[in-house]
Amino acid sequence: GAVVSQHPSRVICKSGTSVKIECRSLDFQATTMFWYRQFPKQSLMLMATSNEGSKATYEQGVEKDKFLINHASLTLSTLTVTSAHPEDSSFYICSAWNRGRKLFFGSGTQLSVL
Amino acid sequence: GESVGLHLPTLSVQEGDNSIINCAYSNSASDYFIWYKQESGKGPQFIIDIRSNMDKRQGQRVTVLLNKTVKHLSLQIAATQPGDSAVYFCAENGAGAGGTSYGKLTFGQGTILTVHP
Repeated sequence: GAVVSQHPSRVICKSGTSVKIECRSLDFQATTMFWYRQFPKQSLMLMATSNEGSKATYEQGVEKDKFLINHASLTLSTLTVTSAHPEDSSFYICSAWNRGRKLFFGSGTQLSVL
Repeated sequence: GESVGLHLPTLSVQEGDNSIINCAYSNSASDYFIWYKQESGKGPQFIIDIRSNMDKRQGQRVTVLLNKTVKHLSLQIAATQPGDSAVYFCAENGAGAGGTSYGKLTFGQGTILTVHP
């Protein structure tokens, strides 16, 4: 079964609303999780590193006020897309390293902003 | 900047053939490489990994080859099946195990593998 669970798998929202995406490590604790973004027919681009109990680290060009990350527990990280606009429509994927030092990905969330 | 790239964006093979997907990397400090398979609308699925102290690693129907001299990585899939059709990404971690950026993978552009019955 999946070791990293992501929810929801698909969300459609109106422009200006906020959307929260959850990423859970199911059978291991993850002090660090990663959030990626993927546009159609393109590769994965790292957005930010989510650190349990501390602030997230954002990659260059990623607006931290736009993409709020909270890592309140060792098994849950959330990404909130605030005031979403059509250009934020994308496939968002989280990942975490398990105890075997393999990086597993969630199933992804397809965000469509109307 | 440092990057990981792929030579071929698409690859079409017949069922039963062997497939080879190639990847070039530019960061000589990379010490860990992973191949992922991504099906449409899904997250990447781990296939196989290799560390820089190895040049070959085999899994079930898959083999990864690493040539550090020319900074080249390849994924070989034996007896390719229609279910292998997907996008394949190579990824590299340049910081080394235990580094602060462990887990910050850099992904290649991806190769679309199509297997015809």
